[in-house]
Amino acid sequence: EVQLVESGGGLVQPGGSLRLSCAASGFTFSSYWMSWVRQAPGKGLEWVANIKQDGSEKYYVDSVKGRFTISRDNAKNSLYLQMNSLRAEDTAVYYCARGSGDYPLRYYFDYWGQGTLVTVSS
Amino acid sequence: AIRMTQSPFSLSASVGDRVTITCWASQGISSYLAWYQQKPAKAPKLFIYYASSLQSGVPSRFSGSGSGTDYTLTISSLQPEDFATYYCQQYYSTPVTFGQGTRLEIK
Repeated sequence: EVQLVESGGGLVQPGGSLRLSCAASGFTFSSYWMSWVRQAPGKGLEWVANIKQDGSEKYYVDSVKGRFTISRDNAKNSLYLQMNSLRAEDTAVYYCARGSGDYPLRYYFDYWGQGTLVTVSS
Repeated sequence: AIRMTQSPFSLSASVGDRVTITCWASQGISSYLAWYQQKPAKAPKLFIYYASSLQSGVPSRFSGSGSGTDYTLTISSLQPEDFATYYCQQYYSTPVTFGQGTRLEIK
């Protein structure tokens, strides 16, 4: 059974940092693109970042470029999101999601974690 | 970035009704379109990919269609467990983008 379990969320002050983790199991983690998708309270879904199977390619939504860093450790079946210079508008539930598809960079999200809440507030 | 627009924003319907949700892309996305269902305080769940392919385990009353810039999600006969919010997502180009969601409520 595919499982994605996020951790690391919490309350942080504006300008602070937080590192999210996603533990994957039930599939060959190193074979899939992985993404972070967020959802602000009461709002819709926003893709944040993704990373290629071997970590050689990473992409970010414009609003987090230069502040967030996605990474992965295939030996530990884990995905990470380092979030620096956090802003109030980064407040959201952050989901880890697995990408599937048959064309590079064209994939849908077939499995999602339960999410971890990040609150940026003083 | 490709903009995705869903209609309607919300919809009230009854058990047994046939319901259609529409999603428009600001440019052609060649059927690289997915639909997700989300229930309150839960993660989204993939229902349809490549515009019309049903994800394993999703009931056959759900179907998707469309091409180019226009896509639809149809539920042929609403069941109580179908009341939720539905999102479309294009994965034709990066950044992938989602529609604003359609909230399906019980009439």
